[in-house]
Amino acid sequence: GENVEQHPSTLSVQEGDSAVIKCTYSDSASNYFPWYKQELGKRPQLIIDIRSNVGEKKDQRIAVTLNKTAKHFSLHITETQPEDSAVYFCAASRSAAGNKLTFGGGTRVLVKP
Amino acid sequence: DSGVTQTPKHLITATGQRVTLRCSPRSGDLSVYWYQQSLDQGLQFLIQYYNGEERAKGNILERFSAQQFPDLHSELNLSSLELGDSALYFCASTRELVTDTQYFGPGTRLTVL
Repeated sequence: GENVEQHPSTLSVQEGDSAVIKCTYSDSASNYFPWYKQELGKRPQLIIDIRSNVGEKKDQRIAVTLNKTAKHFSLHITETQPEDSAVYFCAASRSAAGNKLTFGGGTRVLVKP
Repeated sequence: DSGVTQTPKHLITATGQRVTLRCSPRSGDLSVYWYQQSLDQGLQFLIQYYNGEERAKGNILERFSAQQFPDLHSELNLSSLELGDSALYFCASTRELVTDTQYFGPGTRLTVL
């Protein structure tokens, strides 16, 4: 089955700096890659997603890139703010498998003011 | 608010007991996914239902079962509970099988004492 690895597990950045989280996946048939932000005890919230027919997607301070050949995708957060502090999860799914999500292990991001 | 509701919010029970977690998908969504989030296993897919039928199974224990009712709400039944079953249980829903974007409910925190 699919396996998703996520790095780093923790990331501390200064407010205003950029944060980058990287994920690799094993199933070349995966075609959908969402990123979720989760605050302590709360539900995962979708922040951005990308499909396999697109190489890059941007939404304000957040961007995601996908390299299908290398089977990895990354989340980029620019101009980080204290409210960006949370745990971020990457995930992968494929429509042929009913779109069940396989998650990475998560990255705890701390933005220091 | 994602539109997905889950009850109860918290559940505290003893080992060996049985509990039922309930999920109501977003209005119009036909597919429901259940995920377990524990400290040591991360976010893991358990099971998926679509329009009342089981569509995909993940690493769901035999002690766990689920169903989706004609009104599309879903229940996850956990029996012979063990300490290790303590976790956050999330459900997510999508409109159709081919819809990849999943919106998560607020979760049920299960504590087994």
